[in-house]
Amino acid sequence: NAGVTQTPKFQVLKTGQSMTLQCAQDMNHEYMSWYRQDPGMGLRLIHYSVGAGITDQGEVPNGYNVSRSTTEDFPLRLLSAAPSQTSVYFCASSPTTPRGYEQYFGPGTRLTVT
Amino acid sequence: AQTVTQSQPEMSVQEAETVTLSCTYDTSENNYYLFWYKQPPSRQMILVIRQEAYKQQNATENRFSVNFQKAAKSFSLKISDSQLGDTAMYFCAFMKHTGTASKLTFGTGTRLQVTL
Repeated sequence: NAGVTQTPKFQVLKTGQSMTLQCAQDMNHEYMSWYRQDPGMGLRLIHYSVGAGITDQGEVPNGYNVSRSTTEDFPLRLLSAAPSQTSVYFCASSPTTPRGYEQYFGPGTRLTVT
Repeated sequence: AQTVTQSQPEMSVQEAETVTLSCTYDTSENNYYLFWYKQPPSRQMILVIRQEAYKQQNATENRFSVNFQKAAKSFSLKISDSQLGDTAMYFCAFMKHTGTASKLTFGTGTRLQVTL
């Protein structure tokens, strides 16, 4: 199993550009989520999905869009990048079985918006 | 809404010594999970230990153990026999028990440095 994969690992955007951060998992996990990590603020939830076709907003959803057409993939779209979106982005997935719901994290994408 | 507080931004410990990282949380829920995640310089988030709130027994995983005080809403992590590889950011996290997977609420982290 590759686990949770994210692409790209690094990205630089100009203000106003759009892009999609890719996330895929091969563990057949129903729950997937996106977090952003900023210095001194821990990880904050952007959007999450409890299964294909179902998404919901987290704590900081503004400026981001998600969709979940398959169980495996959960892309995060930046509609019009802003310097405030400079951050490290993590995708995570979790099984929906009673094992403590451990979330498995991808390696992260470092995004810089200039 | 839940909040998680880690009041120690940085800590340092000598190799082979024991260190305790603090975490407090605020919730009105009775059923929940608590986690400690480790983030080494590689940036990968690694689960260290997990505690179910309905279990009174403190969780242990090799050199890692927790002191879970439900009434005080406290969840500290003890690392025994510290090793250089323990150098990392440590995040405490809360998850409400909803019967399925749910979102994590993280603290702001404690940076741990293990020295020779």
